[in-house]
Amino acid sequence: EAQVTQNPRYLITVTGKKLTVTCSQNMNHEYMSWYRQDPGLGLRQIYYSMNVEVTDKGDVPEGYKVSRKEKRNFPLILESPSPNQTSLYFCASLRGGELFFGEGSRLTVL
Amino acid sequence: AQSVTQLDSQVPVFEEAPVELRCNYSSSVSVYLFWYVQYPNQGLQLLLKYLSGSTLVKGINGFEAEFNKSQTSFHLRKPSVHISDTAEYFCAVSEGGYNKLIFGAGTRLAVHP
Repeated sequence: EAQVTQNPRYLITVTGKKLTVTCSQNMNHEYMSWYRQDPGLGLRQIYYSMNVEVTDKGDVPEGYKVSRKEKRNFPLILESPSPNQTSLYFCASLRGGELFFGEGSRLTVL
Repeated sequence: AQSVTQLDSQVPVFEEAPVELRCNYSSSVSVYLFWYVQYPNQGLQLLLKYLSGSTLVKGINGFEAEFNKSQTSFHLRKPSVHISDTAEYFCAVSEGGYNKLIFGAGTRLAVHP
């Protein structure tokens, strides 16, 4: 089954404790992206990747890092999480004008 | 810079009634337009998209949208809604490429029996 898989789905952490949200897709898509969803703001792009070793900032990249060492994986790294990064995060891959989304990772930073 | 405005944050409607969810965008160039749906506790999935050609676009689950270039709008419609259509709907726009997809704030459609 074609899918985008994110882990963890839910996470509560504390300020400053590094964490990684993993994202994997099995559709061989070149393009992948991370979004955060906040009430009243819709989805905002954090980072995207056009292919392996090619990444670029989206609209809200501050406080995040990404890497793309393999085509299928695109992890999102929060080196020192802060409460304003409490949000619902979505990974997506793209083909033919259609974004395929993971089920989301709800992160709470205390 | 592009922006997307979804004019209604919430739309309550009775089952089997028609519905229109409004979306306006700002862009001076050709755009690609999308509607996504998010069911509770799920990711987003594509309802329909306009890339070029006919301005009336049909999507899944009986939804359709019309691209109006002069009014820079891409309103989503369904002639008769079901309880199962209760979800949040997002309009999105891209200026000729997919890496910079800008989403609206979303419209929560609540269908009541």
